[in-house]
Amino acid sequence: GNSVTQMEGPVTLSEEAFLTINCTYTATGYPSLFWYVQYPGEGLQLLLKATKADDKGSNKGFEATYRKETTSFHLEKGSVQVSDSAVYFCAPVPGGGNKLTFGTGTQLKVEL
Amino acid sequence: DAGVIQSPRHEVTEMGQEVTLRCKPISGHNSLFWYRQTMMRGLELLIYFNNNVPIDDSGMPEDRFSAKMPNASFSTLKIQPSEPRDSAVYFCASSPGNSPLHFGNGTRLTVT
Repeated sequence: GNSVTQMEGPVTLSEEAFLTINCTYTATGYPSLFWYVQYPGEGLQLLLKATKADDKGSNKGFEATYRKETTSFHLEKGSVQVSDSAVYFCAPVPGGGNKLTFGTGTQLKVEL
Repeated sequence: DAGVIQSPRHEVTEMGQEVTLRCKPISGHNSLFWYRQTMMRGLELLIYFNNNVPIDDSGMPEDRFSAKMPNASFSTLKIQPSEPRDSAVYFCASSPGNSPLHFGNGTRLTVT
């Protein structure tokens, strides 16, 4: 089955710092890869996705590249803002399916 | 589009009572998912439906949990009898097939 490993949180950064949240996955076949974000008191929202190897997903200044050789999909942002404080979830989905497997997520705290 | 609607937002009940959580998916979405989120275990998939039919309920913790989807616009998750360890945030999500999930804002359940 599918599984995902994310770096332990919380990650605390100063505003404008560079962000990396590591994600590695195991999955059967050729999964699509997603990053979701959860703001306090809300449900998860899709942040970005990549559907095949070497694809780069991007949104709101965040980027992640689908690395099949290392089974990774690390999330990066060049300059974080206080409003980016949230919990971030990496999730693989089997090819042709929509059943997401989530880990515990990584909490990001951005301070002034 | 109103998004996925869950009710109630908060539920506090005593151990042994029956609890019913409700979900209205986005119109036209044919897949519906119930997730449970806790600090210890993160986000766990409980059950999902395709076209109102339960496809995978392997995540349902035990017989005290049951889920129904009587039509395309409504689903319930019932816990009977409830226990303190069921305290969590329960999310419903829907999807139009092989597409990213749209989450509701969740129901925070507290069982005392």
